[in-house]
Amino acid sequence: RKEVEQDPGPFNVPEGATVAFNCTYSNSASQSFFWYRQDCRKEPKLLMSVYSSGNEDGRFTAQLNRASQYISLLIRDSKLSDSATYLCVVNNPNQGGKLIFGQGTELSVKP
Amino acid sequence: GAGVSQSPSNKVTEKGKDVELRCDPISGHTALYWYRQSLGQGLEFLIYFQGNSAPDKSGLPSDRFSAERTGGSVSTLTIQRTQQEDSAVYLCASSPPGGRMGTDTQYFGPGTRLTVL
Repeated sequence: RKEVEQDPGPFNVPEGATVAFNCTYSNSASQSFFWYRQDCRKEPKLLMSVYSSGNEDGRFTAQLNRASQYISLLIRDSKLSDSATYLCVVNNPNQGGKLIFGQGTELSVKP
Repeated sequence: GAGVSQSPSNKVTEKGKDVELRCDPISGHTALYWYRQSLGQGLEFLIYFQGNSAPDKSGLPSDRFSAERTGGSVSTLTIQRTQQEDSAVYLCASSPPGGRMGTDTQYFGPGTRLTVL
């Protein structure tokens, strides 16, 4: 079983749609959680960290459920420019600084 | 300021040859990480450096892989006797000092696309 699992998609949605990505992680000792975005043939870039109380950044909302070991990302009013692969990432500081990446969920926003 | 840079951007080599991949982290970043991304796969951790030391080499796939970092800055990932399954994008990331390991943002370079024929 992969340490971080995501629905690979692709998710094909029209502009303006709301789309939700889910992610589960297997290591209960994980303490830091992130969503990264990766455009085609580009490097990953941090989209947002995920905090226990949930956090929002504009159209993006991240949620964490430690009991269920579940992370989510909600994108509201999706734009064409949101088309990318969204990577769920966790870290267990007891394992040093390495990030554990999910395989990513591909999003395609159509006009 | 300048981001993480990697060279070469693309490398095509023949099976059995050795290759060296270079990473220049963001100035002042003490932590440096190597990952690789194979076609259709997620990012896979290889090794990380804190300063010049490598506390965690657990991700290196075999003893053909090695990495070093000198002067707390530039790092080189070396793959000896390359195999076709080594073909991937090799990504380097760095993060600033001061934070607890893994909690700080890791800034990625553009990667080196390695193709082993």
